[in-house]
Parts: sequence; C-alpha cells; structure tokens
Amino acid sequence: NAGVTQTPKFRVLKTGQSMTLLCAQDMNHEYMYWYRQDPGMGLRLIHYSVGEGTTAKGEVPDGYNVSRLKKQNFLLGLESAAPSQTSVYFCASSPLGSYNSPLHFGNGTRLTVT
Amino acid sequence: RKEVEQDPGPFNVPEGATVAFNCTYSNSASQSFFWYRQDCRKEPKLLMSVYSSGNEDGRFTAQLNRASQYISLLIRDSKLSDSATYLCVVNPRMDSSYKLIFGSGTRLLVRP
Repeated sequence: NAGVTQTPKFRVLKTGQSMTLLCAQDMNHEYMYWYRQDPGMGLRLIHYSVGEGTTAKGEVPDGYNVSRLKKQNFLLGLESAAPSQTSVYFCASSPLGSYNSPLHFGNGTRLTVT
Repeated sequence: RKEVEQDPGPFNVPEGATVAFNCTYSNSASQSFFWYRQDCRKEPKLLMSVYSSGNEDGRFTAQLNRASQYISLLIRDSKLSDSATYLCVVNPRMDSSYKLIFGSGTRLLVRP
C-alpha cells in the first residue's frame, strides 16, 4: 500500500518554463489537496478537489492549475514558472473532508525556479 | 495577525523533560483542531486531534481553551525521537471542510 505518491521529488526550472506535478493515491480517497510550504510559513492550500472531475481554488491559486480526471490522480500544473514559486509542494488526500479526518501527505516535491 | 500563531522555537530540552507548546487562533468560530508532526524534510503526519475536553495519547496531552482561543500540546518524558516540528492546525468553520489553516510550526530539539 503506497499511500500518496508524488512525482517528481526534485525539479529545477527556469523562469517561464512549465511543468506538471503528479499526485497519486491508492486509498480510494475522495478529497485531494495541493499545498505549498515555505520557510517560516505554514502550509498554504493551493487547490483542492472533492471528487473526480471537480476542482476548486484554495488560498494561493494564482499561477497554478489543477486537474482530477481520475479519482486516484491529482495534477498540479505551473504554466509559466516564476521564482516566487520556489517551494516544497505537498499533495494530500483524505477519505472525507479534512474537517473530520486526517490528511495523508505525499513525500513532497522540492521545486526551485531560477 | 496570522490566523494561527505558534512560537517557532526551537525548544531545546534534555531527554526526560516535560515540554509544552501553545498555539493561538484568531477565528472564534473555529471548530476542529489538530497537532501534526513534521520531521526534517519530510511530510507532516497527524499526531493527534484536539477535543474540547482535552485528550491524552500516551506521553502526549492536548488541551483546548476556547475562551482564550488557544490549544496546547504537552509532551512528558521527552525522547530523542520526539525531535521534530509540531504544527498546530485549525479548521475555521464546519462548512469549510477543505480548509485547514496550518501554523508555521514549533521546533523541538531533545538532547541526550
């Protein structure tokens, strides 16, 4: 049982390049989330999904897009990377809304934009 | 003012010590509260939920004070393996099931 798997683990981009981060979960969870974590700040929600085919904006959605075509996968896209998007990105899932169930996190993706 | 505030630490304590962290939250309507643990360069993991009456899990005790809008985490008999960052997490409203607000974390270092 792999849980939540993120790929890639590390990536370096140049300003203006695009990329997609993949999150896959094998726990049949309905809810999936993308967070970013920056030094001295808490995790901030970028986008989330309450089920297959649905997505919604979180606190810091600008510069990112997401898709959830399959229940087990949640993709985060950066259309034109900026240095401000240098961060550690965490995907998470939960069987119900995070109000009453714990989040299961992936190992994270460390992204540097130069 | 941040929605969830924590003392960043680090708290540097010897093995066997008792240590407590507080976390304050700004939204008085907040409904659910959690402590997560995050090891260096790892993902956060749920440590425990915080219930209104307070709750205990082994050496860990969590308390909620709604009047003063803070939650606390007490660790007794600290172990070296307790060294980590402890994240205070708050859900502001019952109808915002997606929205957890994470504090920036309190770092704990337990020395031999």
